Amino acid sequence: DTGVSQDPRHKITKRGQNVTFRCDPISEHNRLYWYRQTLGQGPEFLTYFQNEAQLEKSRLLSDRFSAERPKGSFSTLEIQRTEQGDSAMYLCASASYLPENTGELFFGEGSRLTVL
Amino acid sequence: GNSVTQMEGPVTLSEEAFLTINCTYTATGYPSLFWYVQYPGEGLQLLLKATKADDKGSNKGFEATYRKETTSFHLEKGSVQVSDSAVYFCALSDRWDTGNQFYFGTGTSLTVIP
Repeated sequence: DTGVSQDPRHKITKRGQNVTFRCDPISEHNRLYWYRQTLGQGPEFLTYFQNEAQLEKSRLLSDRFSAERPKGSFSTLEIQRTEQGDSAMYLCASASYLPENTGELFFGEGSRLTVL
Repeated sequence: GNSVTQMEGPVTLSEEAFLTINCTYTATGYPSLFWYVQYPGEGLQLLLKATKADDKGSNKGFEATYRKETTSFHLEKGSVQVSDSAVYFCALSDRWDTGNQFYFGTGTSLTVIP
């Protein structure tokens, strides 16, 4: 098992363009989370999936953001019409949900977005 | 609501010094508490956790005790090493059974000098 992988690691785009990030979680994990991290801040929750169902979305996730997890495996996070304020590190994490678990997230290394 | 407040950084210590990074929390329920660490160029990884009041989490010489009366979860290590240089994040998790999100502090950067 290679852990959580994210692609691309770095993306530079011009304002107004669309970008898509991919996350491959640890294979047996049924929960997948997206977080955003800006410089000097901790990760901020965006959304999460349990299997293929998107169960919660933060108010940070504007209409320009959409996330999917088809078939409950990998996930994509798309940002349409990017703005400079979208520049951040986008983190993916996965977890194995069982009621007796106390909840440990396994993070990928992140996808850094720079919007010019 | 839920939130985590942790000590501002950066922190610079000499090797073998004692480390404390303060963390306090606000929660509506009975959260689990975590310390995550991010080494340079790597993703966040769990350092230790505690799931109920008075529990002590420990790993790699680091310890933190879940104090409900003071709503705190301070991270300590008796003798830091250069390899401990990293950013440390305090976090809480609530409502794990009904779906949850983790709330992270802003992170404390630690540099240990030889």
